[in-house]
Amino acid sequence: DAKTTQPNSMESNEEEPVHLPCNHSTISGTDYIHWYRQLPSQGPEYVIHGLTSNVNNRMASLAIAEDRKSSTLILHRATLRDAAVYYCILRDVVTGGGADGLTFGKGTHLIIQP
Amino acid sequence: AAGVIQSPRHLIKEKRETATLKCYPIPRHDTVYWYQQGPGQDPQFLISFYEKMQSDKGSIPDRFSAQQFSDYHSELNMSSLELGDSALYFCASSFVLGELTGELFFGEGSRLTVL
Repeated sequence: DAKTTQPNSMESNEEEPVHLPCNHSTISGTDYIHWYRQLPSQGPEYVIHGLTSNVNNRMASLAIAEDRKSSTLILHRATLRDAAVYYCILRDVVTGGGADGLTFGKGTHLIIQP
Repeated sequence: AAGVIQSPRHLIKEKRETATLKCYPIPRHDTVYWYQQGPGQDPQFLISFYEKMQSDKGSIPDRFSAQQFSDYHSELNMSSLELGDSALYFCASSFVLGELTGELFFGEGSRLTVL
């Protein structure tokens, strides 16, 4: 699987936007970019995914660079409940497929200050 | 909405004993995944099953085995337990058929402590 690189930790203030970066310079054309997060003492939770175009859902937005070598997860208005570890994961739909396991790397610890 | 159910939530075993964890996926989900998360570590993929057949295998020790049953629930069997097996074990499910990028839904985990 292609690797991703994320900062170890980031800090933000409550009610402000948060931009979480992810580098994936070896991404292949069939890799989808997935984001999951893990709140303290809970199982991971799906946030968003995309292939080439920017994506929006009720939780967040995903901005994908034109060359797809990096992406940014955007939380528009962070709350204390958004404090979690955020994982950027590449998922190959050709060699991988839906039933293959996701590989969690070192995510970003997001700290939200009140 | 129904979520992934894992049991037991907590389990304490002695070294060299055997443990079995159970996972009940979301109704109509056809794929189950098992993950292990040690203290302060990131989740590590162990194994997955699609339509009751093993689909993918990660870093699952030979002492561990798993299967998915006809009702789609799954069990993770761990034998000759070691202290290092103490971890949170997460099960996840998804609906894969026709959706290669389906999201995984995770349970709340089973905490295994080996003494």
